[in-house]
Amino acid sequence: AQRVTQPEKLLSVFKGAPVELKCNYSYSGSPELFWYVQYSRQRLQLLLRHISRESIKGFTADLNKGETSFHLKKPFAQEEDSAMYYCALSGRYGGSQGNLIFGKGTKLSVKP
Amino acid sequence: DSGVTQTPKHLITATGQRVTLRCSPRSGDLSVYWYQQSLDQGLQFLIQYYNGEERAKGNILERFSAQQFPDLHSELNLSSLELGDSALYFCASSVDFSGNTIYFGEGSWLTVV
Repeated sequence: AQRVTQPEKLLSVFKGAPVELKCNYSYSGSPELFWYVQYSRQRLQLLLRHISRESIKGFTADLNKGETSFHLKKPFAQEEDSAMYYCALSGRYGGSQGNLIFGKGTKLSVKP
Repeated sequence: DSGVTQTPKHLITATGQRVTLRCSPRSGDLSVYWYQQSLDQGLQFLIQYYNGEERAKGNILERFSAQQFPDLHSELNLSSLELGDSALYFCASSVDFSGNTIYFGEGSWLTVV
């Protein structure tokens, strides 16, 4: 079954602390993995994708195919990072491209 | 601003009724996607159109239908509404169907009473 699991509904950390938002997936094949973020009262927006191997706003995510994980990390959390974070995957070919399967999301709260 | 616009932003209607949600994709984007976000099911892919043609279907009920018009805007029609259809409906668009960069609208809140 195709599935994305984000085990934590809420993650609360203090400013300056490291952050790791967990994401595990189940997919038959090689999926594309993404992290989306939704700040308060704003639309869902792409944060980063594994094929780009990029760092956005200090966040990075490494695809671990052996553990089928795509955890999102940031060494030093900032208050403006407080938001809802969604892990998502899509297939690479055919009709599965672009059809994102989302996790339930993790709410990150960064305290001053 | 991502450029994907959705109307209406909020809608309250009674069970059994029919509503239409409208989406205008970003300029130049050919693909339109519809997603439903509910408390129990989370974000679920409903359907995708590419350049006017249906490309992929997800967990879309038979009571729901969609289309993409020649000007590339899309409409999601929800009929015989039930209480459980209350949700936030997102439209998203991308330049092609690869899905590498999908831009979301702000969503349409539907409340069925």
